[in-house]
Amino acid sequence: DVKVTQSSRYLVKRTGEKVFLECVQDMDHENMFWYRQDPGLGLRLIYFSYDVKMKEKGDIPEGYSVSREKKERFSLILESASTNQTSMYLCASSLGRLTSGGTYNEQFFGPGTRLTVL
Amino acid sequence: DAKTTQPPSMDCAEGRAANLPCNHSTISGNEYVYWYRQIHSQGPQYIIHGLKNNETNEMASLIITEDRKSSTLILPHATLRDTAVYYCIVRAFNQAGTALIFGKGTTLSVSS
Repeated sequence: DVKVTQSSRYLVKRTGEKVFLECVQDMDHENMFWYRQDPGLGLRLIYFSYDVKMKEKGDIPEGYSVSREKKERFSLILESASTNQTSMYLCASSLGRLTSGGTYNEQFFGPGTRLTVL
Repeated sequence: DAKTTQPPSMDCAEGRAANLPCNHSTISGNEYVYWYRQIHSQGPQYIIHGLKNNETNEMASLIITEDRKSSTLILPHATLRDTAVYYCIVRAFNQAGTALIFGKGTTLSVSS
């Protein structure tokens, strides 16, 4: 089974702190994604990556940056955390190529990190 | 991605079939219908997808109308563990591996 792990389930940080959220997948997937989820707003895409050292902005990249130095790891960075970044952060991965099984678009999600910025 | 419309909430008795509708009237010929669900405090989970034929797997069945403008996800024997938010997503074949756009979904409550 594909496994996507995130470094923390719960995190509490102070305003202005630099925050690192780590995500690791073990299935050699090309694509990795960072979403945030807020009540009433559903999931929103922050950044995604098609390959090592490649990154693309999603719908809400402001205040965030990402790093992908290795294929299996995708980091989300909050350079200076603010209270409006309090949220649930979800990492996902998927294959970048077609598979014979037809699940080529399936994204596998991690358990999420609930970040609180005080 | 084509826009989808789902009811905000539905209730179902345990052991009965849960039928979750989704409207996607602007779907184009190369777009698939995908369903994910999210159980409370967990990441979303893929359920099933289809193009125009009905599909079935160990989790659910997907019924797509002939004009492809709507679909229904069927959980044949709902259990309490099926209580979750269900998301219907429409996206093109050539977007394989790209970001999903989640709407607000349908909150399914299964009760005993």
